[in-house]
Amino acid sequence: NAGVTQTPKFRVLKTGQSMTLLCAQDMNHEYMYWYRQDPGMGLRLIHYSVGEGTTAKGEVPDGYNVSRLKKQNFLLGLESAAPSQTSVYFCASSPPTGTFQETQYFGPGTRLLVL
Amino acid sequence: AQSVTQPDIHITVSEGASLELRCNYSYGATPYLFWYVQSPGQGLQLLLKYFSGDTLVQGIKGFEAEFKRSQSSFNLRKPSVHWSDAAEYFCAVGFPSGGSYIPTFGRGTSLIVHP
Repeated sequence: NAGVTQTPKFRVLKTGQSMTLLCAQDMNHEYMYWYRQDPGMGLRLIHYSVGEGTTAKGEVPDGYNVSRLKKQNFLLGLESAAPSQTSVYFCASSPPTGTFQETQYFGPGTRLLVL
Repeated sequence: AQSVTQPDIHITVSEGASLELRCNYSYGATPYLFWYVQSPGQGLQLLLKYFSGDTLVQGIKGFEAEFKRSQSSFNLRKPSVHWSDAAEYFCAVGFPSGGSYIPTFGRGTSLIVHP
């Protein structure tokens, strides 16, 4: 099992450019999440999904969109990148609530620099 | 409002000394509780978790945590720290949200280990 993988590992964008971050998991997990990590701020939830075809906003959703067309993939899009979106982005997945297996499994992260 | 607090931004200990990292939460009921560790440049790895039952939980790498309902705390402990424990530690709390328990992370505590 590869677990949770993220593509790309590192990216540099210019202000106004768009990009999509891909997260894939091979554990058949229902839940998937996108977080951003900034110094001194911990992990903040951007969007999450509780199943294929469903998404919901987290704490800091502005400027991002997501899609969960396939159960194993969760895409994070930046339509018009801004310097404030410079961050490390982590994807995670977990089994559904109520299974008492709610551990999140994290990907290795994507470092994004917006100039 | 629901919240998670890690009061210590940095903790410095000598190798072999004991360790306690603090985590407090604000919520009216018992949430799901987690501790994760992040090594430099890596994703997050689960150390331990608490859902119910025995309030003292054992985790990997010799860590343990104790849930104290009266203090709304879930502090992480280790009796003897090794240099390889130097990392960022995150407390996460799962609060119910529309039938799910979406984790909220604290801002993290950076552990520095002196030889």
